This record gives sequence, C-alpha cells and structure tokens, in this order.
Amino acid sequence: EPEVTQTPSHQVTQMGQEVILRCVPISNHLYFYWYRQILGQKVEFLVSFYNNEISEKSEIFDDQFSVERPDGSNFTLKIRSTKLEDSAMYFCASSSTSGRELFFGEGSRLTVL
Amino acid sequence: ELKVEQNPLFLSMQEGKNYTIYCNYSTTSDRLYWYRQDPGKSLESLFVLLSNGAVKQEGRLMASLDTKARLSTLHITAAVHDLSATYFCAVDMGEDSNYQLIWGAGTKLIIKP
Repeated sequence: EPEVTQTPSHQVTQMGQEVILRCVPISNHLYFYWYRQILGQKVEFLVSFYNNEISEKSEIFDDQFSVERPDGSNFTLKIRSTKLEDSAMYFCASSSTSGRELFFGEGSRLTVL
Repeated sequence: ELKVEQNPLFLSMQEGKNYTIYCNYSTTSDRLYWYRQDPGKSLESLFVLLSNGAVKQEGRLMASLDTKARLSTLHITAAVHDLSATYFCAVDMGEDSNYQLIWGAGTKLIIKP
C-alpha cells in the first residue's frame, strides 16, 4: 500500500542550527502539507503546497520556515534557525485531491537543545 | 477564528461498554475528519465526513456529522482494548482550503479489559 515516508525519524539539534526535514509523498498525489504536534498537544497546520507553490500557511509558518519540492518526489521543510519552541513532531501529509482523504507520514521528531 | 472542541478529553471505560466522543466546531464547514493516534505514532485516518447527515461505520466505530448543529460524534460500540488510542477530529476551513485542518485537542481513550 502506498505510504508517505519521512526522514529522519528523530533529529536532535542545537538552537540556532538549520534543520531540513524530508518527506516523500504518495506518488500520484498533488497536494502536500506539513503539520506539527508539540508533545501532548493538538496538531497544528503549518503549510499546504500545490502546483509548486504554497497554497496556505499558518501564523506559525514565519520567515524561519520554508518548503520546497526540489526534484518532483521529495517535499522538504526547512527551519533556518531553530528555536527551543520548534521542538515537536512534524508530520508530512499528502492527498490526491482537496477535500478527500489526507495521508500522514510517521513523523519526524525534532528536539532543539 | 475556527475553534474545534472535543469532549471528553480523557475517557476510561470498560470493555464491552458503549460511549460517544463529541466534536463541536464554531464556524460553517461541511468537511470533518476523524483520526486515530497511538502513542508516538502517526495519524491514521478513520472517517471522512463530507456532507450534512453523513454517517460512516467501520467495525465498532461509527461517525456522524450534523453541519447545522456544527457537531460530529464518534460512537464506540462494545469497546475492546485495541481501541485504546487518542482520537482527534479535524475540521476543514472551507472551500478550496487545501486541507487547512483545524484540530480538536484529542480524546485519550483507555479501555480496560
């Protein structure tokens, strides 16, 4: 069964360092998303991406964040200068069409020290 | 601002019992999703509800949507231990929102043998 895959599963970094989280969405999907979940809290929308550009972004997704689809298969989330409060589980998701089922990856746990 | 409220946030119940989780939301939407999350794991799609009056069932779980009341329910019938997890509802912001889902806080369900 097709699935969304994410790497790394866990990354520990120092505050101020750049981090890139990688995702391979399901191959025929067109919409891509990043969500995050701070430990024990609710899931929060970060950004949606379609047709090689950002469709929507939340207030969390400030200038420190960027997304890219560099090669037609990977979908990356970059945090330029990490802060302690960026520590969370980051989930990538994809869907074939808007309004239908959204498939999530296993998540990348980011720990900022 | 769309708010999504789930209750209860924590539920401990015995196997074999029935119970209902409620999801209220504050603005108009006709797209609501239920997800399951096991500890440290990803978000598994359970139900996609796309219209008023939608009812879907899978095994011991049944979800419904009343868009006029802005209410969705997730009903558990004759609970079994394997259903122990955290259940989230999530509401889509509206047309062409590209899955800018707003999530409830989650209901942690523990089912005791």
